Amino acid sequence: DVKVTQSSRYLVKRTGEKVFLECVQDMDHENMFWYRQDPGLGLRLIYFSYDVKMKEKGDIPEGYSVSREKKERFSLILESASTNQTSMYLCASSRYGAGVGPSTDTQYFGPGTRLTVL
Amino acid sequence: KQEVTQIPAALSVPEGENLVLNCSFTDSAIYNLQWFRQDPGKGLTSLLLIQSSQREQTSGRLNASLDKSSGRSTLYIAASQPGDSATYLCAVSFDSNYQLIWGAGTKLIIKP
Repeated sequence: DVKVTQSSRYLVKRTGEKVFLECVQDMDHENMFWYRQDPGLGLRLIYFSYDVKMKEKGDIPEGYSVSREKKERFSLILESASTNQTSMYLCASSRYGAGVGPSTDTQYFGPGTRLTVL
Repeated sequence: KQEVTQIPAALSVPEGENLVLNCSFTDSAIYNLQWFRQDPGKGLTSLLLIQSSQREQTSGRLNASLDKSSGRSTLYIAASQPGDSATYLCAVSFDSNYQLIWGAGTKLIIKP
């Protein structure tokens, strides 16, 4: 079974803090994704990565950065947290790499991190 | 703009009923369509993936259909059970953009 884990289930931070969210997958997947989920809006892609050290912007990258130094780990960084970044953050991974397309294969999701910025 | 819409946002039915969840999309040039389930406080679990060349996929009591020409997919759940209570999300991969475009979901409650 594919397992995707996220470093925290719940996180409370203050405005202006630097926040790190970490995601680890154990199935040697090429692709990893960070989404945020807000009521009524569905999932929105922040960033994705199709290989180590490679990253692509999604629909809403502003205010976020990412790091993928190892294949199994994909980190989301909020450089200076703001209240409008209060949300559920979901990490996912999928098997195929660049050239095939990131959405041709099923994505496997972690349990999510509910981040509150005060 | 490519969009995915799920109506209704919430649905409550008695246990044992067959039910249909709807997903509509604005562009018929899709690569595939996926249905996911999300339980409260948990991540998403993939239920069914339909390639653009397919008309339907089945898994147990679940059947998903795809009609590209009308821009619609339905998820049919037979003999619903309280354990089916969850939010069901539809996601579409369009040919022009391999990223998944997500619907906002339908929250399903099965009453015992």
